Amino acid sequence: LAKTTQPISMDSYEGQEVNITCSHNNIATNDYITWYQQFPSQGPRFIIQGYKTKVTNEVASLFIPADRKSSTLSLPRVSLSDTAVYYCLVAEGDDKIIFGKGTRLHILP
Amino acid sequence: NAGVTQTPKFRVLKTGQSMTLLCAQDMNHEYMYWYRQDPGMGLRLIHYSVGEGTTAKGEVPDGYNVSRLKKQNFLLGLESAAPSQTSVYFCASSYASGSFKNEKLFFGSGTQLSVL
Repeated sequence: LAKTTQPISMDSYEGQEVNITCSHNNIATNDYITWYQQFPSQGPRFIIQGYKTKVTNEVASLFIPADRKSSTLSLPRVSLSDTAVYYCLVAEGDDKIIFGKGTRLHILP
Repeated sequence: NAGVTQTPKFRVLKTGQSMTLLCAQDMNHEYMYWYRQDPGMGLRLIHYSVGEGTTAKGEVPDGYNVSRLKKQNFLLGLESAAPSQTSVYFCASSYASGSFKNEKLFFGSGTQLSVL
């Protein structure tokens, strides 16, 4: 079964680029890597999803090496409003979408 | 454009009472899920449904029951509430375009439940 490991918390300053790495050593061949963002008192929100190499959208970039055993979420030029919990997801088995504890990102002024 | 709507938003129960949480989605999604979130625990999957009339157990199903009588609704029931069920409950839904486990989830805003 796939399982993800990511840092419990991270601090950064406004205007900097933030990279959050997630390891998923047992990822299955046909599984994607998905990242969600959660603000206090809200449900998680989809940020980005990828299978290999690099994916970029208006919010973030996702870098996935060739072996796919890890991935890195990159947030460019963060602001205070990017303070949130970020979850890296890989499917567990055939039918479950399991969230881990996520990474609590704190942006400082 | 409501998306995923959860009712109620807040509820306080006494131990042993029962209640039902309602989740409704207007996106014609096949899949629906119930998660609970406790401080420091992330989200844990309670039950899920891959279509109308079907349900399955997640990580922490004990003490809960679910029903999916209509495609747009997914109900979570607590038959005899316990203090350990104090939590924030989130409902989510997703499309069924191919690989179930790679689908993008859409979440509701949550229900804060306290059991005294």
